Parts: sequence; structure tokens; C-alpha cells
Amino acid sequence: GNSVTQMEGPVTLSEEAFLTINCTYTATGYPSLFWYVQYPGEGLQLLLKATKADDKGSNKGFEATYRKETTSFHLEKGSVQVSDSAVYFCALSYFSGAGSYQLTFGKGTKLSVIP
Amino acid sequence: GAVVSQHPSRVICKSGTSVKIECRSLDFQATTMFWYRQFPKKSLMLMATSNEGSKATYEQGVEKDKFLINHASLTLSTLTVTSAHPEDSSFYICSARELDSLRQYFGPGTRLTVT
Repeated sequence: GNSVTQMEGPVTLSEEAFLTINCTYTATGYPSLFWYVQYPGEGLQLLLKATKADDKGSNKGFEATYRKETTSFHLEKGSVQVSDSAVYFCALSYFSGAGSYQLTFGKGTKLSVIP
Repeated sequence: GAVVSQHPSRVICKSGTSVKIECRSLDFQATTMFWYRQFPKKSLMLMATSNEGSKATYEQGVEKDKFLINHASLTLSTLTVTSAHPEDSSFYICSARELDSLRQYFGPGTRLTVT
């Protein structure tokens, strides 16, 4: 089956520190990979995505590269800000038997950035 | 960007009563809406997929008679938790897939507490 494993949180960093949140996946076929972010009190928002191997998704200083050989999609940012404090979800999209694409999520990693 | 709203954001109800949660896509049409349940420190679990005008497709282990889903229009889906019990207490999140782009947008979630 399809599954996503991401590092347990919470993660606490000082402002301007380097961030890595690990994500690995198990899937049949070739899924698309996503990172979603959930800010306090808000819904999930798509942060970045990659649709095929070696693709790099990037947005707001965050990056993740689709690594088929290691089945990974680690999220990185070179210098975090307090405003990056949120919960981050890694997810994969697969084509279900019902004729629709569905998302499978990791458990989420809470990031707190302190000044 | 596209917005998905949920109402109510929080609800407390007594055991044995029913609760309805609304999910609306505010500025786009959504042929497909998804309902997720999120447990503390766990990933979002897909409960069901609903397509406008047809019956919802429930994931394995989700009681369709307990979690009634109606997707009556391209902008509204409802989840009714019938005869709620304390174990139904959870965070319920809806998501809507845009008709044109196929992007998936998430609502802010509804916190249900059954006493």
C-alpha cells in the first residue's frame, strides 16, 4: 500500500537556523509528492510539490527533491523565520481504483521557530 | 487563492445527538470533495470521497450509516455525524478539488467534542 513516514516532532529552532524535515514514502507506481503547511488556526495549504523523480519543488525558500532511489522527499530551508512556525505534512498522491486521485499524508511535524 | 470554509469551527454535543458539518468552496466549483479525520499526533485519515450528485465512496472501516455525506452542489458538501459518541470526538477536515485545475484545497477543520 501507499504510506508516508515523516520525522516526529516537535522541532524547535532558532531564527535563521537550517531546517530539515525528513519524509520517506512507500508507493506502487510513480506518485506525486507534496508538502503541505498548516499555520495555527488555518487549513492546510500546498507549500510545494514534485511530480516525477529528480524534480525539485520550491516555494517561500523551502525546497524538496523527489528522490526515487531513496524514496524520499525531505523538506529543507536554509534560514527559518518565526513566521515559518506551523505544522508541516508530507503527502503523496496516487490514482485510486475509483477513478480519482487521492492523498495520503504523513503524521505532520510541528515546527516552532524562536527569535 | 481558492478558499474552502467549514462551519462550525468548533462544536460540542451530547452523546446520542447528531451534528452536521458544512464544507463550502467559496470561489470555485468542486466536483469532488474529501472528508478527513485527524487524530492527535496522527496523520489525516481519509474518511470518504464525494462527487457532486452521487453517493460518497467510503474508506474501509468508516461506517457510512454513521457518517452521512451529502454533496448536493458544486460548492457544498456536508458531513453528519449521527448518534455521536465520545469516541467520535476528533478534528474533521474537508477538502475540495477544483474542477478546472484539479488542485485540492483544504478547509480549516472542525473540532468536534462529544460529551
